[in-house]
Amino acid sequence: DVKVTQSSRYLVKRTGEKVFLECVQDMDHENMFWYRQDPGLGLRLIYFSYDVKMKEKGDIPEGYSVSREKKERFSLILESASTNQTSMYLCASSSERPGRRVYEQYFGPGTRLTVT
Amino acid sequence: AQSVSQHNHHVILSEAASLELGCNYSYGGTVNLFWYVQYPGQHLQLLLKYFSGDPLVKGIKGFEAEFIKSKFSFNLRKPSVQWSDTAEYFCAGKVGSQGNLIFGKGTKLSVKP
Repeated sequence: DVKVTQSSRYLVKRTGEKVFLECVQDMDHENMFWYRQDPGLGLRLIYFSYDVKMKEKGDIPEGYSVSREKKERFSLILESASTNQTSMYLCASSSERPGRRVYEQYFGPGTRLTVT
Repeated sequence: AQSVSQHNHHVILSEAASLELGCNYSYGGTVNLFWYVQYPGQHLQLLLKYFSGDPLVKGIKGFEAEFIKSKFSFNLRKPSVQWSDTAEYFCAGKVGSQGNLIFGKGTKLSVKP
């Protein structure tokens, strides 16, 4: 089974702090994604990566950056956390290789971040 | 703009009632569509997906969805819901070449025992 793990389930940070959210997948997937999930807004894509050291902006990249130094790990960074970044953050991974359940995204359990 | 829309924000049903959750997409080209479910306190998991072929797709836990190209729809159905189906359901479509998915805003299903 594919496993996507996230470093924390719950996190409380203060305004202005730098925040790191880590995500690791164990299925050798090329693609990794970061979403935020807010009530009534569904999932919104922040950033994604289709290869090591590659990154692409999603729909709401402002205030976030990402890092992918190794294939299995994708980090989301909040450079200076603000209260409007209080949310549930979901990491996902997928593959496009034939025979690998193409495009099916596997999700981690999420990190509920509260910025006070 | 490419989008996936879900018509219902919150649906409340009694056990054994039939379920249909609406999903419409608004983009052309190759269509790959998914339904995901998020049970309370759990991570999102795939219910079913449509890539090509038979437009009636069967998924896990008795769910099915029908792709109707002329209506740009991919509605989720279940003939008889159970209390354990209480969850939030998300429709998603693949866009772009890197496997990005666009998600609908979700439909919360509450099933009364």
